[in-house]
Amino acid sequence: DGGITQSPKYLFRKEGQNVTLSCEQNLNHDAMYWYRQDPGQGLRLIYYSQIVNDFQKGDIAEGYSVSREKKESFPLTVTSAQKNPTAFYLCASSWGLDQPQHFGDGTRLSIL
Amino acid sequence: GENVEQHPSTLSVQEGDSAVIKCTYSDSASNYFPWYKQELGKRPQLIIDIRSNVGEKKDQRIAVTLNKTAKHFSLHITETQPEDSAVYFCAASMYTGGFKTIFGAGTRLFVKA
Repeated sequence: DGGITQSPKYLFRKEGQNVTLSCEQNLNHDAMYWYRQDPGQGLRLIYYSQIVNDFQKGDIAEGYSVSREKKESFPLTVTSAQKNPTAFYLCASSWGLDQPQHFGDGTRLSIL
Repeated sequence: GENVEQHPSTLSVQEGDSAVIKCTYSDSASNYFPWYKQELGKRPQLIIDIRSNVGEKKDQRIAVTLNKTAKHFSLHITETQPEDSAVYFCAASMYTGGFKTIFGAGTRLFVKA
């Protein structure tokens, strides 16, 4: 599928290191989202952005940061302040908030 | 806080049987209820959704029902096929000044041939 591209597929983080996950979409969607997925749990919203240069915290924003300088791009930085970063991270986009979301293939982040 | 409870966590059915997955939400302000299917190693994909002003919606073998009074919505899959085997997630969303979306923990559906 095209539409939303996440990279890398796998990422390893050392202690005290910040890492950035990439998310690019060519669907011309205004809204973009970042979710965290842990085994046996549903997706939890980290950050969302309704339009360029605007983003809001979700339920679990602590230890994460984002930017939305371009409509197509919504990178997520996992900072050293996030003490339990090992998880599967999913990016999504939609025409607007509370509209059907299209997901990327995800990035699996692990700690070295 | 707000939450969405999803049951069962695992469901095994024989090919051709029906499957029903149920979700209950806590925030009465929720007004959008999507269902996503996630096959092993793949991205979640929307299969059907319903808004709070509608009680039922159907798309071929898939249907969703919503009971706003009980804060309960369900996914119904008829004539199940092996390719329906996946994890299904429900979600409840609202946009009232700020956006909030809460996902259920997922149901792993096995369809036995």
